[in-house]
Amino acid sequence: QVQLVQSGAEVKKPGSSVKVSCRTFGDTFNNFIITWVRQAPGQGLEWMGRIIFMQNIINYAQKFQGGVTITADRSSSSAYIELHSLKSEDTAVYYCAREVHSNSWKDWGQGTLVSVS
Amino acid sequence: QSALTQPASVSGSPGQAISISCTGTSSDIGGTNYVSWYQQHPGKGPKLLIFDVIHRPSGVSNRFSGSKSGNTASLTISGLQPDDEADYYCNSYTTTSTLYVFGTGTTVTVL
Repeated sequence: QVQLVQSGAEVKKPGSSVKVSCRTFGDTFNNFIITWVRQAPGQGLEWMGRIIFMQNIINYAQKFQGGVTITADRSSSSAYIELHSLKSEDTAVYYCAREVHSNSWKDWGQGTLVSVS
Repeated sequence: QSALTQPASVSGSPGQAISISCTGTSSDIGGTNYVSWYQQHPGKGPKLLIFDVIHRPSGVSNRFSGSKSGNTASLTISGLQPDDEADYYCNSYTTTSTLYVFGTGTTVTVL
C-alpha cells in the first residue's frame, strides 16, 4: 500500500515562493511517476505537471511553464513543487498523485492548501 | 489546451442509472485511449474510478463503467446510491505540450 504524505498548509504573501513536498511510503521511489494537480476554491481539477523520476523527465502544463518547478529527491523518496511569484489566484489546494495504471492516478496525497494574501 | 466539457450537474433517484458525458477534440479524447474518471467527495481528494476508457482499478464497484465514442467519453453509474453524490471529473491524455487535461467537472445529486 503506497502512501503519499504532503507538507502542511502555507500562508504566503504575493510575490513570494512556496515549496510543497510529497513524501512517498511503501514502494520503490525509482519507479514513480508523480503528478501535481491543483484545485482552486470551488473550482475543478487542473493538471500542472509531472516528474518521471527514473528517467529524470519533467513535463509542465503550458499554463504553468516558468511559474513552477517540479523536482524529486531519491534520498527522501519525495517529490516537490515550487511555486514562484505567487499571486492571489494561486490560492488553491495542491495535490500530488502517483501514476499506477497508465496515464491515470490511483494514489493521492491529502492535499496542501496554499493561501496567498 | 482547454478543459474538456462536462455537464455542470446530473441527478437521479436511488437505483437509477445516470451517464456523464465528457467532450473534447481529436487532440485529446478522440486521439487516445488514455481517458480516466475521478470521483471527489466534498473536502476529500479525488478517487480513480476508470482508466484507459473502460477499466476499473481493483476495489472500484462494477456499478461504474466507462465508454468512448469519437471525441466524447462517458461515465455511467448504475444502481445509483446516496454515497454516489459527489463531483466527477474526466481526464484525457493530449497530443499537446500540456500532456493531460481535466474536464470541467459534474456534480451528481441523488434525489
